[in-house]
Amino acid sequence: AQSVTQLGSHVSVSEGALVLLRCNYSSSVPPYLFWYVQYPNQGLQLLLKYTTGATLVKGINGFEAEFKKSETSFHLTKPSAHMSDAAEYFCAVSPSLYNAGNMLTFGGGTRLMVKP
Amino acid sequence: DVKVTQSSRYLVKRTGEKVFLECVQDMDHENMFWYRQDPGLGLRLIYFSYDVKMKEKGDIPEGYSVSREKKERFSLILESASTNQTSMYLCASSLGAGGYYNEQFFGPGTRLTVL
Repeated sequence: AQSVTQLGSHVSVSEGALVLLRCNYSSSVPPYLFWYVQYPNQGLQLLLKYTTGATLVKGINGFEAEFKKSETSFHLTKPSAHMSDAAEYFCAVSPSLYNAGNMLTFGGGTRLMVKP
Repeated sequence: DVKVTQSSRYLVKRTGEKVFLECVQDMDHENMFWYRQDPGLGLRLIYFSYDVKMKEKGDIPEGYSVSREKKERFSLILESASTNQTSMYLCASSLGAGGYYNEQFFGPGTRLTVL
């Protein structure tokens, strides 16, 4: 069984400030971890993913996330927020084993607001 | 470039109508999924399919059915639409068992309003 918790359904930052979106997961097997972004009235787009290897993962648009096994976390960061980063962000987990459905379990989402 | 398309971006239906939501992917993916998205509830899995004519219930299948007659097409059916089915519906696909780390590719979504 697996689950994902995103702390903070809404996060507000000023333009140029650090963005930190929190994600904690539980998984009975080693996980694959994902961050997706959803802009208004659009589908979800993959930002980055952790599978194996380096625990610091870089994604698109300057975002990165670090897999910390001891903390069961996969927090998303960006050093300097831009107005165009305003969107909803979803963390997701998948087991790294054979699974006929390849299902992802999603967190509840965090809406990021960027103030000018 | 990978592509998942959904038949409508916006749809308005009346209570009791039969509603079809269509999803097509052009990536030869084995797996396809239907989610609904509601404020504060995130994404909830309705049904998924891992092969033609195969389907599995997700977390909230009640009031819905699905059809997958061809590999590239996965349809969501609301047999008798109700107002509590007003939502954003998202279709997704992924490569296959153990493939590409289970990454899912999403369509643009259909915002369904049931009056």
